[in-house]
Amino acid sequence: DQQVKQNSPSLSVQEGRISILNCDYTNSMFDYFLWYKKYPAEGPTFLISISSIKDKNEDGRFTVFLNKSAKHLSLHIVPSQPGDSAVYFCAASDGGTSYGKLTFGQGTILTVHP
Amino acid sequence: KAGVTQTPRYLIKTRGQQVTLSCSPISGHRSVSWYQQTPGQGLQFLFEYFSETQRNKGNFPGRFSGRQFSNSRSEMNVSTLELGDSALYLCASSDVIEQFFGPGTRLTVL
Repeated sequence: DQQVKQNSPSLSVQEGRISILNCDYTNSMFDYFLWYKKYPAEGPTFLISISSIKDKNEDGRFTVFLNKSAKHLSLHIVPSQPGDSAVYFCAASDGGTSYGKLTFGQGTILTVHP
Repeated sequence: KAGVTQTPRYLIKTRGQQVTLSCSPISGHRSVSWYQQTPGQGLQFLFEYFSETQRNKGNFPGRFSGRQFSNSRSEMNVSTLELGDSALYLCASSDVIEQFFGPGTRLTVL
């Protein structure tokens, strides 16, 4: 049972345009969501997070949107840069003492073309 | 602050052997979580330690175990290795919610 799903295995975007990465979840107990970026042979790098009490969080070029009723979140990268090319994972946690346990999606490979 | 460090970075073992991986968290972080990444299963949670106690556990067999020391450093052990244990093992540390990952240990079981 995959509780966090990233239905697009890959996304290709032109430099300077917007990249939109999507994530759906099924567990209504999830109350904290995170996005990570990963290069091959490296550990994931934390990008941005959002609590379920918010619907938007921004940090520089990165914005995460949360739609609780649809159990859907998205990561917007504006403008996209070639260095953003990597695998992006969304992750979720169900709070309290379970914050130490993240459930990850399968990842989306983002390619930004110059 | 120094980031999360993991040793060794690469390891080759044969079936039936056991292995111990080490993780040093970011200074001041008391929670250490371990994950297994494989091409087929993605990133899966193994267990989390907080203040030397296992606080959360994933759905892995008992061959996978861990511990945490008083300085928050953590080790994970896999006994009786199987071919399917070949993976990238990642540890992450946190002080509140966001987890920060180390570079991982690439384990190959022959």
